Amino acid sequence: NAGVMQNPRHLVRRRGQEARLRCSPVKGHSHVYWYRQLPEEGLKFMVYLQKENIIDESGMPKERFSAEFPKEGPSILRIQQVVRGDSAAYFCASSPLGGLEQYFGPGTRLTVT
Amino acid sequence: AQSVTQPDIHITVSEGASLELRCNYSYGATPYLFWYVQSPGQGLQLLLKYFSGDTLVQGIKGFEAEFKRSQSSFNLRKPSVHWSDAAEYFCAVGGGNTDKLIFGTGTRLQVFP
Repeated sequence: NAGVMQNPRHLVRRRGQEARLRCSPVKGHSHVYWYRQLPEEGLKFMVYLQKENIIDESGMPKERFSAEFPKEGPSILRIQQVVRGDSAAYFCASSPLGGLEQYFGPGTRLTVT
Repeated sequence: AQSVTQPDIHITVSEGASLELRCNYSYGATPYLFWYVQSPGQGLQLLLKYFSGDTLVQGIKGFEAEFKRSQSSFNLRKPSVHWSDAAEYFCAVGGGNTDKLIFGTGTRLQVFP
């Protein structure tokens, strides 16, 4: 069974460009979570989505960041007009029915130059 | 405020020695507690979790953790460390009416032969 897949694994963007991070949950999981890990810090919750719905976006920056989890296809975390402070590892997790038992992907490491 | 504190940023032990990684939490609801391990460049792997019941929980790779409500702690232990245990370890808490996990800043474990 494939686990949570994230791509790309590494992404380099120049300031002002857009970054799109993709997450394919474990097959059969309909709940997706995004977390951000800044250098030397723990993971910080960003957003929780079910198919076609945002359930909790309390950790998302108010501007430039958006997330979606369409009926078909992967979940997308989109960062517009990236700045150096967006450089971080972005982890996606999934769970079958919601809840706290979350399975994490390998992460996307975003570097903004 | 809800938080997780891992007071040891970096721990070094010799292979074969015992290990204890500390975790203290502050949480407003009944806490569900987790330990994750992250190898360099990898995602997070769940070592063990505590939801209820026996306060001493067994996990994978020979790890165990003890929930002590009176001390708001959930320390991770292993009786004999292997070189392959070198990694970063994260404690996390969740529960109540939210599905988001709150992570500590991590403890980096180094193992000497």
